[in-house]
Amino acid sequence: DIQMTQSPSTLSASVGDRVTITCRASQSIGDWLAWYQQRPGKAPKLLIYKASTLNTGVPSRFSGSGSGTEFTLTISSLQPDDFATYYCHQYNLYSNFGQGTKLEIK
Amino acid sequence: QVQLVESGGGVVQPGRSLRLSCVASGFIFRDYALFWVRQTPDKGLEWVAVISYDVNNNYYADSVKGRFTISRDNSKNTIYLQMNSLRTEDTAVYYCASSASYDFGSLDYWGQGTLVTVSS
Repeated sequence: DIQMTQSPSTLSASVGDRVTITCRASQSIGDWLAWYQQRPGKAPKLLIYKASTLNTGVPSRFSGSGSGTEFTLTISSLQPDDFATYYCHQYNLYSNFGQGTKLEIK
Repeated sequence: QVQLVESGGGVVQPGRSLRLSCVASGFIFRDYALFWVRQTPDKGLEWVAVISYDVNNNYYADSVKGRFTISRDNSKNTIYLQMNSLRTEDTAVYYCASSASYDFGSLDYWGQGTLVTVSS
């Protein structure tokens, strides 16, 4: 089983801040990684796939990078709607999710 | 407009069975792999099962292998999850999700989820 470890678990930030969330895989997954945003009581929503490809309709302030075992999700200028929980997801070998990063208002 | 709508959740006793359904619309169903993913506050998101778009392959998480069965009916745009020998640790919100891939891939669309509670 591939373990996905996100950091930090919680991140406090303000509107307008630039934030970065890291996801590490326990073995190389190439670029078979996705990022999701989940708001309370809602289903996850796909933001980025194949490590850096922005899904249709996702604002350009979101970006993803990385390959192999280390990946990042960056939000360039936080907006009020962005305060949510973010998950990484590997789909190179079966499927595993990170434990989530809760982005909260400072 | 893409929609995935789950149904069939509820309260069930340990050892009993339950069948979840998910009806899809707004996309070419037969071209997508379909997943069941569950979520709990403790364990977070956990992939449960996937069925390939051509029905020929399915895979299960170790935690449900031998107890759960995923199936799909492309004529009805519907997938199912037959859950047998349920355990308290199967309590979760269950989502169906689609992937524009043969089997494993990023999950483009998700349903709203259905809650399964296993309790005596």
